[in-house]
Amino acid sequence: EVQLVESGGGLVKPGESLRLSCEASGFTFSGYSMTWVRQAPGKGLEWVSYIGTSTFYIYYADSVKGRFTISRDNAQSSLFLQMNSVRPEDSAVYYCARVSDDLDYVSQDYWGQGTLVTVSS
Amino acid sequence: DIQMTQSPSSLSASVGDRVTITCRASQTISTFLNWYQQKPGKAPKLLLYGASSLQRGVPSRFSGSASGTDFTLTISSLQPEDFATYSCQQTYSYPWTFGQGTKVEIK
Repeated sequence: EVQLVESGGGLVKPGESLRLSCEASGFTFSGYSMTWVRQAPGKGLEWVSYIGTSTFYIYYADSVKGRFTISRDNAQSSLFLQMNSVRPEDSAVYYCARVSDDLDYVSQDYWGQGTLVTVSS
Repeated sequence: DIQMTQSPSSLSASVGDRVTITCRASQTISTFLNWYQQKPGKAPKLLLYGASSLQRGVPSRFSGSASGTDFTLTISSLQPEDFATYSCQQTYSYPWTFGQGTKVEIK
């Protein structure tokens, strides 16, 4: 059974840093691209970042570029999101999701339960 | 960035109703369009990918179609467990973008 479990969320002050983790199980982690998606309270979904099976392919939303860093440790089947210089508008539930793709589609087929990040002084 | 305009933002329907939700992309995205269902306090769940392919385990009352840059999610006969928020997403180009969501409520 595919499982994704996020951790590392919490209350942090503006300008501080936080590192989110996503532990994967039930599939060959190294064979899949992964993403982070966030959802502010009462708002819609916002894609944050993507990392390919090769870390050569990494993409970010403009809203986090230069402040957040996505990474992965295939040996530990883990995905990470290093969040630096956080802002109140970064407050959200952060989900990690597995990417499923082929020639004519790319989707996020499995999601974790999310971890809440609150940025407030 | 590709904008995804989803409509309506909310709707009220009864069990058994046929429900249609539309998403329009601001430019061509081929069939790189996914639909997700989300219930309160839960993670999104993939319903359809590639505009019209049903994710394994999703009931066949859900279907998707595409016409140019217009995409449609149809629920043929609304069931009690279908009351949720539905969101489209394009994965044609980065940054991936979502529609603003459609909340389906009980009439």
